[in-house]
Amino acid sequence: EAGVTQSPTHLIKTRGQQATLRCSPISGHTSVYWYQQALGLGLQFLLWYDEGEERNRGNFPPRFSGRQFPNYSSELNVNALELEDSALYLCASSFVGVTEAFFGQGTRLTVV
Amino acid sequence: AQRVTQPEKLLSVFKGAPVELKCNYSYSGSPELFWYVQYSRQRLQLLLRHISRESIKGFTADLNKGETSFHLKKPFAQEEDSAMYYCALLFGGSQGNLIFGKGTKLSVKP
Repeated sequence: EAGVTQSPTHLIKTRGQQATLRCSPISGHTSVYWYQQALGLGLQFLLWYDEGEERNRGNFPPRFSGRQFPNYSSELNVNALELEDSALYLCASSFVGVTEAFFGQGTRLTVV
Repeated sequence: AQRVTQPEKLLSVFKGAPVELKCNYSYSGSPELFWYVQYSRQRLQLLLRHISRESIKGFTADLNKGETSFHLKKPFAQEEDSAMYYCALLFGGSQGNLIFGKGTKLSVKP
């Protein structure tokens, strides 16, 4: 069974640009979660999508946004990039009512 | 506010020694707690969940509501246990999302 896949693996952007990160969940999973893993800060919850709707949002500014497509894949968009947005962005998927979330390998975003 | 605290950034023990990774939580609802593990160059993955009351790879964790803790324990550490360990709280009930502590890096020395 294919796991959660994220693309790209690495992304380098300059300050002020926009970044788009993609996630394909495990087949059958309807929920997708996004986390930011910045150095020393652990995993910070960003967004949760289920059945195409945003279900919950972490304490991040509105320039972090996303969406979920009918096939349950998801995009995370970060606008007006700042240097401190440099981090590993992890996507996870689960059935709704999560008892186990399965994680992707992450996208390493570097803002220069 | 809901919060998960792992007070130790790094825990270093010798092979065969007991291990306890601490986790405390703050949550007004009925907590569901998990331990996730990330081995070197591997994905973050579920280790165990409190509702299952299971032992995985020799690890156990007991939910103590009085102390709001969910410490992870293993009586005899192995070198292959070296990894990052994250405690997680399911926020919002069964329809919610996981929030994580900052993680503890366990290093088991030979």
